Amino acid sequence: SQQGEEDPQALSIQEGENATMNCSYKTSINNLQWYRQNSGRGLVHLILIRSNEREKHSGRLRVTLDTSKKSSSLLITASRAADTASYFCATDAGGYQKVTFGTGTKLQVIP
Amino acid sequence: GAVVSQHPSWVICKSGTSVKIECRSLDFQATTMFWYRQFPKQSLMLMATSNEGSKATYEQGVEKDKFLINHASLTLSTLTVTSAHPEDSSFYICSARGQISNQPQHFGDGTRLSIL
Repeated sequence: SQQGEEDPQALSIQEGENATMNCSYKTSINNLQWYRQNSGRGLVHLILIRSNEREKHSGRLRVTLDTSKKSSSLLITASRAADTASYFCATDAGGYQKVTFGTGTKLQVIP
Repeated sequence: GAVVSQHPSWVICKSGTSVKIECRSLDFQATTMFWYRQFPKQSLMLMATSNEGSKATYEQGVEKDKFLINHASLTLSTLTVTSAHPEDSSFYICSARGQISNQPQHFGDGTRLSIL
């Protein structure tokens, strides 16, 4: 399977704490994306990081990418209860290539 | 931002019924559309990739006669689950990519299919 692995599978933290999720993948990529999915809903695109980038920020989100280790991390700072969701990384080889999703991390932020 | 509309959002029907799900890109031309299936508490699994005007490419293990995909225009793709059975019950999500290949896919809100 080409599916990426994410860890942890589940994470429970207190509101205000930081949450870190990791993603490892197997093949070369054009870019890597992080998505959020609330229960029973579609995916919301959070951030895209290209293969020639090492770090990217968007609001309270910080994403890093290490192509030599084929890994990425998503950091959510000062978490809020509304951040409770499942988070998926997705690797994209570009063009007509498929996007492959990781196994996901279920984040629970306790108020 | 780009919007992908998926319809219906929820379907309940009897076993043996065929169900059609539509995926529309509302403000861009979708060169490629993707159909995913998601079981409860699991990740998204790609079912097939469709390019406008050509036959869909199915992932291994996905029955193309069971899951009919039509991508007749640059803004519409349909997935038809033929003669659906309870084991076909799942959450189906489409996504669309525009002509710029390094831009992310845009996802619909998904269709929850329940077969009784």
